[in-house]
Amino acid sequence: AQRVTQPEKLLSVFKGAPVELKCNYSYSGSPELFWYVQYSRQRLQLLLRHISRESIKGFTADLNKGETSFHLKKPFAQEEDSAMYYCALGSGGSNYKLTFGKGTLLTVNP
Amino acid sequence: DGGITQSPKYLFRKEGQNVTLSCEQNLNHDAMYWYRQDPGQGLRLIYYSQIVNDFQKGDIAEGYSVSREKKESFPLTVTSAQKNPTAFYLCASSITGPYSEQFFGPGTRLTVL
Repeated sequence: AQRVTQPEKLLSVFKGAPVELKCNYSYSGSPELFWYVQYSRQRLQLLLRHISRESIKGFTADLNKGETSFHLKKPFAQEEDSAMYYCALGSGGSNYKLTFGKGTLLTVNP
Repeated sequence: DGGITQSPKYLFRKEGQNVTLSCEQNLNHDAMYWYRQDPGQGLRLIYYSQIVNDFQKGDIAEGYSVSREKKESFPLTVTSAQKNPTAFYLCASSITGPYSEQFFGPGTRLTVL
């Protein structure tokens, strides 16, 4: 069975501070990992996926297969980063689906 | 916001009644999904469909039913058998295949009185 763990329900940092949102996964196959974000009063949307290896809004995430982690990082947090962040794991195969973690609510204080 | 729509935004029903939530998309996506979002629980998959006339149970399918008669539409029925139906329901769609981005609707908040 596949599982995604986000150990922090809440994370609060000050503007300009580094931020790291943790995500660990459990999956027997080759993992496909994503970060989705939900800003206040907006729809849930994709932030980034590990296959792209890109930086979106200053966020990066590296897949560490040895530690089964996909932590989301940003060196200097901004107030507009305040949102709910979900880590998600793709199942692969013909019946493709995502398993989401429980989410981390990030608050960036001025 | 176009693309994927859900209606209504808020829905109230009496206990014991079935209720159907609408989800429509004009993105030409083959795959569609229903999630339930509860505080502290994240998103949990109810049902998903990779193609018209086919669908699979997700992690919490009990008390729910779906149909996929058209590519654009994936309605979810919350039946009276669902023990705790009050929740926020999200619909999503995507192209099929790995690393596909899911596009989400605005959600429907169902309250069962």
